[in-house]
Amino acid sequence: SQQGEEDPQALSIQEGENATMNCSYKTSINNLQWYRQNSGRGLVHLILIRSNEREKHSGRLRVTLDTSKKSSSLLITASRAADTASYFCATLPFYNQGGKLIFGQGTELSVKP
Amino acid sequence: GAGVSQSPSNKVTEKGKDVELRCDPISGHTALYWYRQRLGQGLEFLIYFQGNSAPDKSGLPSDRFSAERTGESVSTLTIQRTQQEDSAVYLCASSPRTATNEKLFFGSGTQLSVL
Repeated sequence: SQQGEEDPQALSIQEGENATMNCSYKTSINNLQWYRQNSGRGLVHLILIRSNEREKHSGRLRVTLDTSKKSSSLLITASRAADTASYFCATLPFYNQGGKLIFGQGTELSVKP
Repeated sequence: GAGVSQSPSNKVTEKGKDVELRCDPISGHTALYWYRQRLGQGLEFLIYFQGNSAPDKSGLPSDRFSAERTGESVSTLTIQRTQQEDSAVYLCASSPRTATNEKLFFGSGTQLSVL
């Protein structure tokens, strides 16, 4: 079973609006990462946030992490049609530092021009 | 190479046949992962290789699935006696797994269709 659960499963917005996606997980983590997937093929890494960090920015992306609630959010500001994709969170469990990243089910984002 | 390379990009096979999927990781990356993604679903972990350590095979769904990796190079995922439920995109990823760089670099995947 997957540790991460994204919310919402699907999100449709207009160009220029902000998009917020949430991720919840179950066990303590070493870090949490967000990935983007176009057309159901390879994923591209967007941003990594460590368990001792609370917020991180990269361009139009803002990620927050609340370890007490075991949740993270990804905010895309001033969205563009090109942001249309599926977004996945992935966690590296703290108990398995040398091991696998566990992915959630993803949020499908549609940005309409 | 410049990125993670997977072959073939598409594979159509008949139920009961064996298939081999190949992954060429980025040179120097010690960690290699295989994931499976069914249509419209998330990524399902299959197996993880890290250097010369014993692989983490905890995600392999049955004994029909196996994977090998020679050193820190090419990996092959083998599915024996394929079933229709094996139809999915099989994604390979590699990572340098250093203290400062733990992100995964993905290949474009192999779309497997079992008829």
